[in-house]
Amino acid sequence: ETGVTQSPTHLIKTRGQQVTLRCSSQSGHNTVSWYQQALGQGPQFIFQYYREEENGRGNFPPRFSGLQFPNYSSELNVNALELDDSALYLCASSSRTGKYEQYFGPGTRLTVT
Amino acid sequence: DAKTTQPPSMDCAEGRAANLPCNHSTISGNEYVYWYRQIHSQGPQYIIHGLKNNETNEMASLIITEDRKSSTLILPHATLRDTAVYYCILLRGSNYQLIWGAGTKLIIKP
Repeated sequence: ETGVTQSPTHLIKTRGQQVTLRCSSQSGHNTVSWYQQALGQGPQFIFQYYREEENGRGNFPPRFSGLQFPNYSSELNVNALELDDSALYLCASSSRTGKYEQYFGPGTRLTVT
Repeated sequence: DAKTTQPPSMDCAEGRAANLPCNHSTISGNEYVYWYRQIHSQGPQYIIHGLKNNETNEMASLIITEDRKSSTLILPHATLRDTAVYYCILLRGSNYQLIWGAGTKLIIKP
């Protein structure tokens, strides 16, 4: 286990609703990255937070937003949910020293109906 | 825009070495090669990474060609628990962002 936790584990929402997903990073890590993984595909980079600032964003619309808190935990918010938002959402924490390896949480499975 | 190419699937017999190839012909001088794996329905797991030299750790070995345009991940004695999707990814040192492709589904057979 990596020490990265995500909540909730599973979530079912209706199209048009809003959702907040949470991630607690591993101790000592100051960077959190969020990914969306559709069934059968590799993870797609959403954005990254470093010391509470957004530090890079993938090809996702503004209705995907995030926060990082002083303890380096993070939230991913998605507004106006669409059916295509159904996916596994992964968060990964890392530090900017050493190997730059990212430690992933188990993910949150979001289903939009 | 994954920048890496991997075979979609491979089989390997249990106890044998599994050799997973990756092509990254457009790699830049400051890009590292990272390997992760994802066991079904779990978060990805870091395996190994390298820049120019071959690397070995307790999980695997990474062989990078001299021109850096391709690499091979070697699992020396594959077990059934190594069945997973393996991703070869490039990471730019100043960027810290991982851009993933579709990976190779490795199936270890008894």
